[in-house]
Amino acid sequence: KAGVTQTPRYLIKTRGQQVTLSCSPISGHRSVSWYQQTPGQGLQFLFEYFSETQRNKGNFPGRFSGRQFSNSRSEMNVSTLELGDSALYLCASSMTVNSPLHFGNGTRLTVT
Amino acid sequence: GQNIDQPTEMTATEGAIVQINCTYQTSGFNGLFWYQQHAGEAPTFLSYNVLDGLEEKGRFSSFLSRSKGYSYLLLKELQMKDSASYLCAAWSGNTPLVFGKGTRLSVIA
Repeated sequence: KAGVTQTPRYLIKTRGQQVTLSCSPISGHRSVSWYQQTPGQGLQFLFEYFSETQRNKGNFPGRFSGRQFSNSRSEMNVSTLELGDSALYLCASSMTVNSPLHFGNGTRLTVT
Repeated sequence: GQNIDQPTEMTATEGAIVQINCTYQTSGFNGLFWYQQHAGEAPTFLSYNVLDGLEEKGRFSSFLSRSKGYSYLLLKELQMKDSASYLCAAWSGNTPLVFGKGTRLSVIA
């Protein structure tokens, strides 16, 4: 069974640009969560989706948005990039909202 | 609020036993997860404790005390490949999984 796939693996953007990250969950998984990981803050929760509905949203500014499609694939978008947005963005899927998360390898975003 | 504490770094010797502690304070509690993350890789699921007590899975065991808001991950017969970050995460039901900042374990010869 294929794992969680995130694309792209690496991104370099400049301040002010916007970026879209993609996540394909494990087949059959309907819940997708996004986390931002930085060395100082660890894993910070961004969004959680289940059956195309956002169930939870973390404490991030409105520049961060996301969505889930009918095939459970998910995207997150960050507009007006800032230097502090440089991080590893991890997507995780699970069968239901209370089962273990399975993480993708992440997208490493560098903002210059 | 939600707060999870775990040591930042630990060092242990190959072949030894190491215990990584995690304390949590959450509004509501359903269970406690442990994940392992090697540098540059995705976190991988290790264990999930719902009830008090010790759950053993090969060289790794995880313990939970709900009344004390405390868990630990026990790694036996340490191997060099166990060098990684270990993340503790608490689940409260309808809220998303809250992670600690991770404990970076270095296994030395």
